[in-house]
Amino acid sequence: DQQVKQNSPSLSVQEGRISILNCDYTNSMFDYFLWYKKYPAEGPTFLISISSIKDKNEDGRFTVFLNKSAKHLSLHIVPSQPGDSAVYFCAASAARVGTYKYIFGTGTRLKVLA
Amino acid sequence: NAGVTQTPKFQVLKTGQSMTLQCAQDMNHNSMYWYRQDPGMGLRLIYYSASEGTTDKGEVPNGYNVSRLNKREFSLRLESAAPSQTSVYFCASSEFGGTGANVLTFGAGSRLTVL
Repeated sequence: DQQVKQNSPSLSVQEGRISILNCDYTNSMFDYFLWYKKYPAEGPTFLISISSIKDKNEDGRFTVFLNKSAKHLSLHIVPSQPGDSAVYFCAASAARVGTYKYIFGTGTRLKVLA
Repeated sequence: NAGVTQTPKFQVLKTGQSMTLQCAQDMNHNSMYWYRQDPGMGLRLIYYSASEGTTDKGEVPNGYNVSRLNKREFSLRLESAAPSQTSVYFCASSEFGGTGANVLTFGAGSRLTVL
């Protein structure tokens, strides 16, 4: 039972264009979401988060959108740069009910072409 | 500031052998986690510890045991390793329940191969 799904295993984007990575979840109790970036042979690093009380959060080139009714979130990277090439994971937790665990999606490999 | 430190970075085991992966964090975080990463499967939660003195099963706990030794340290033990446990293991910590952001900080990973 995959509670957090990233249905696109890979994505290629031209440098300077927008990258859109998608994530769907099934558990309506999830109320806090994270995006991570992972380079080969390194641990995942935190990118951006969003709480269910918001529908958008921005941090520089990165924006996360949350659509609670559709149980869908997306990460927008504008403009995309070659250094953004990595695997991106979304993660969800049910913080308000005191559940301290994060469930991750399967990841999307982004390749930004120069 | 070291963050989350995992040892060892690499390990090769034979089927049936046992070993312990060590994890320590120096950020005074309440919660600690063990994940495994496999191709096509993403990051799957093995066990977590919401606070010192507590541990709970995650998505894939079978074949593993954990110990929250103190607030800093959280170890993962394989009692009888199997080839299916070949994976990259990540430890993470979070201030979950504190006043800071509830963000996971990961270690660099431990690559385990079981022959």
